[in-house]
Amino acid sequence: AQSVTQLDSQVPVFEEAPVELRCNYSSSVSVYLFWYVQYPNQGLQLLLKYLSGSTLVKGINGFEAEFNKSQTSFHLRKPSVHISDTAEYFCAVSELAGGTSYGKLTFGQGTILTVHP
Amino acid sequence: NAGVTQTPKFRVLKTGQSMTLLCAQDMNHEYMYWYRQDPGMGLRLIHYSVGEGTTAKGEVPDGYNVSRLKKQNFLLGLESAAPSQTSVYFCASRRDKSNQPQHFGDGTRLSIL
Repeated sequence: AQSVTQLDSQVPVFEEAPVELRCNYSSSVSVYLFWYVQYPNQGLQLLLKYLSGSTLVKGINGFEAEFNKSQTSFHLRKPSVHISDTAEYFCAVSELAGGTSYGKLTFGQGTILTVHP
Repeated sequence: NAGVTQTPKFRVLKTGQSMTLLCAQDMNHEYMYWYRQDPGMGLRLIHYSVGEGTTAKGEVPDGYNVSRLKKQNFLLGLESAAPSQTSVYFCASRRDKSNQPQHFGDGTRLSIL
């Protein structure tokens, strides 16, 4: 079984400032890692994913995340945020392909990022 | 280019009423999932399907039933709605067992009075 903890429920930040949204996970097996974004009254959109290879993953809208296996973390970063980045962000994990979990995602509780002018 | 479509988008029910939420995907995906989203709890898996005619329980299946009679459709049913089922429901689909991510619908906002 897997679990995901997003350490901050809300993160306020000013426009053009850098931001880091923290995510830690726990799993007895190897996992894939994802970050999704949810804009108000919309569904979830994939920001980026870590499957294997380089631990620094770049996604859409200037976001990136770094996989740290020893710390079981997958923190999301952006060097300069915009008002339009205001949304809720979800970290999620799934068991590797071929496992018995059939690609089920386990989500963190979500982090609301609010960008102020 | 519809992707995953959920109907209805909003619904208000009275306690004890029944209803069915429809999820349709046009990507020929094998796997489909139903999640519920509640404040501060992220998304939790209700039921899922790994192919036409198959269904399985997720993390929070009680009070819900599902059916996958056609590959492109995944129905979520509430037989006797309860206020605790007030939530936003998301459907997702995935191509297969590979490492491809899930694609999500825009959600159904359901209120049980």
